[in-house]
Amino acid sequence: GENVEQHPSTLSVQEGDSAVIKCTYSDSASNYFPWYKQELGKRPQLIIDIRSNVGEKKDQRIAVTLNKTAKHFSLHITETQPEDSAVYFCAASLGDSNYQLIWGAGTKLIIKP
Amino acid sequence: DADVTQTPRNRITKTGKRIMLECSQTKGHDRMYWYRQDPGLGLRLIYYSFDVKDINKGEISDGYSVSRQAQAKFSLSLESAIPNQTALYFCATSGRGRANTGELFFGEGSRLTVL
Repeated sequence: GENVEQHPSTLSVQEGDSAVIKCTYSDSASNYFPWYKQELGKRPQLIIDIRSNVGEKKDQRIAVTLNKTAKHFSLHITETQPEDSAVYFCAASLGDSNYQLIWGAGTKLIIKP
Repeated sequence: DADVTQTPRNRITKTGKRIMLECSQTKGHDRMYWYRQDPGLGLRLIYYSFDVKDINKGEISDGYSVSRQAQAKFSLSLESAIPNQTALYFCATSGRGRANTGELFFGEGSRLTVL
């Protein structure tokens, strides 16, 4: 079946530095790629998403890049802050639906003071 | 504030027992989902429903059943719980048509432990 691989599983960065999380997907028909943030004990929440007709999207300190040829996409967080500490999940749509998603296993981001 | 509510939040049960997890939403969304979250595995879709008469299996539906009692209510049942169904279960909703941005709105989760 289709899958999404996410790396690294844990990422520790100094406060103020940048963090990058990478995902690769297998379904060449995928066209929707969201990123969710899950704080400890909380529900996942969408932080940014991108569709296959664009290569990059930014929202303040976070950005997502997409390389459809290589079938990978990445989350970039700049000027990291303590509140960025969480588990981040990437996902890719199954085919061109945006209601069936294949999820990565998650990346635990730790921001060191 | 429109939200997605799950009950119970925590449940401990024994192997073989029947368990129901309930989800209700005030977001006015047509689409509802049940996901399972396990450490190191991310989220996996169990069932999804586009309206009261439309129920679809996800990638891991074996051992589970669902009921869409109304647009706002979607329940998940484990007819005979087994230990490897111990997990954190999330209900989620999304909009349709112009409200279909793709964003999933999750409930707070129901932690199920099967002994």
